[in-house]
Amino acid sequence: DTGVSQNPRHKITKRGQNVTFRCDPISEHNRLYWYRQTLGQGPEFLTYFQNEAQLEKSRLLSDRFSAERPKGSFSTLEIQRTEQGDSAMYLCASSISGTETQYFGPGTRLLVL
Amino acid sequence: AQTVTQSQPEMSVQEAETVTLSCTYDTSENNYYLFWYKQPPSRQMILVIRQEAYKQQNATENRFSVNFQKAAKSFSLKISDSQLGDTAMYFCAFPFNNAGNMLTFGGGTRLMVKP
Repeated sequence: DTGVSQNPRHKITKRGQNVTFRCDPISEHNRLYWYRQTLGQGPEFLTYFQNEAQLEKSRLLSDRFSAERPKGSFSTLEIQRTEQGDSAMYLCASSISGTETQYFGPGTRLLVL
Repeated sequence: AQTVTQSQPEMSVQEAETVTLSCTYDTSENNYYLFWYKQPPSRQMILVIRQEAYKQQNATENRFSVNFQKAAKSFSLKISDSQLGDTAMYFCAFPFNNAGNMLTFGGGTRLMVKP
């Protein structure tokens, strides 16, 4: 069990650029979640996949954000036309349906200049 | 709306002593899970302990235990024999959607264990 991995760990970009993050869940975990965490706050839910289907999206997920999980394994989160307010830690978590417990990755810290 | 409240932004405790972190939540559900997660400085979030609401017995994991009061919607975390490695942010979390188990988190409590 290698745990949830996320790449890159850090990303610095200029306002207006597009960025893409990747999450590899624990193998055989069919549920995958994306959260956003700003400094000193608790994580906030963004979106959730069960297998390849995106089943829930938060109102925080504006139309500049898109997430995919094409084969039900890894997932990508893309932010288009980044804004300074997008600066945050983006966390990925995975779980097996029916077991309730989510396991988190190390996160991708985004800084938009 | 389902909310989670942690009323202690910061706490400190001497090494080897006991500390209790508080958490209250609001829900109309009857069966659910509650979680405490730990996030050390610059490190990833890890699960500390979980409680199933339909179980009356409080969960324990080594030095960590909870005091779950379902009627009061209270879910506090007790850390016994505090260690320096317990220094971290602690988040209480609750699934706001039982179908997908998406979590809502409290604002966190920053715990400092002093030598």
